[in-house]
Amino acid sequence: DVKVTQSSRYLVKRTGEKVFLECVQDMDHENMFWYRQDPGLGLRLIYFSYDVKMKEKGDIPEGYSVSREKKERFSLILESASTNQTSMYLCASSLNTYNEQFFGPGTRLTVL
Amino acid sequence: AQTVTQSQPEMSVQEAETVTLSCTYDTSESDYYLFWYKQPPSRQMILVIRQEAYKQQNATENRFSVNFQKAAKSFSLKISDSQLGDAAMYFCAYRRHTGANNLFFGTGTRLTVIP
Repeated sequence: DVKVTQSSRYLVKRTGEKVFLECVQDMDHENMFWYRQDPGLGLRLIYFSYDVKMKEKGDIPEGYSVSREKKERFSLILESASTNQTSMYLCASSLNTYNEQFFGPGTRLTVL
Repeated sequence: AQTVTQSQPEMSVQEAETVTLSCTYDTSESDYYLFWYKQPPSRQMILVIRQEAYKQQNATENRFSVNFQKAAKSFSLKISDSQLGDAAMYFCAYRRHTGANNLFFGTGTRLTVIP
């Protein structure tokens, strides 16, 4: 079975802090994604990556950056956390362009 | 840009009954994929069913089936013999056939199963 893990289930940070959300997949998938989930808005794509060191902006990249130094790991970075970034963050991966996405359990981030 | 609309924020169904969740989408492309994902309280998103737009036959997966109406851009999910474990948020999603394979999601439908 594909396993996508995220470093934390719950995270509480203060405004202005730098925040790292880590995602790791164990199936040698090429593609990885970061989504943000908010009530009434569904899931929105923040960034995605097709390969190591490659990244593409999604629909809502402002205030976020990403890093993919190794194939199995895709990190989401909040350079200076703000209260409007309080949300659920979901990571996903897929083998390639044509395969389904598998999701991690999500990280609920609260920024105070 | 592709948009996916789920017009039912909440639905409920009696255990063992059948329920249909609605989804419509907007696209100018002729080839694409459609998905239904389930997110139980544990938050793990699970793929329920997928449909390729070029296939006329509706996808089925055990108690789950879809009614895909390409001309109407409609993609509803039917859950038969509903079980307590079906209670979850259900998201409809769209993906292009080629190019970027990120998903465009609807806003979700919360399904309650009444014992």
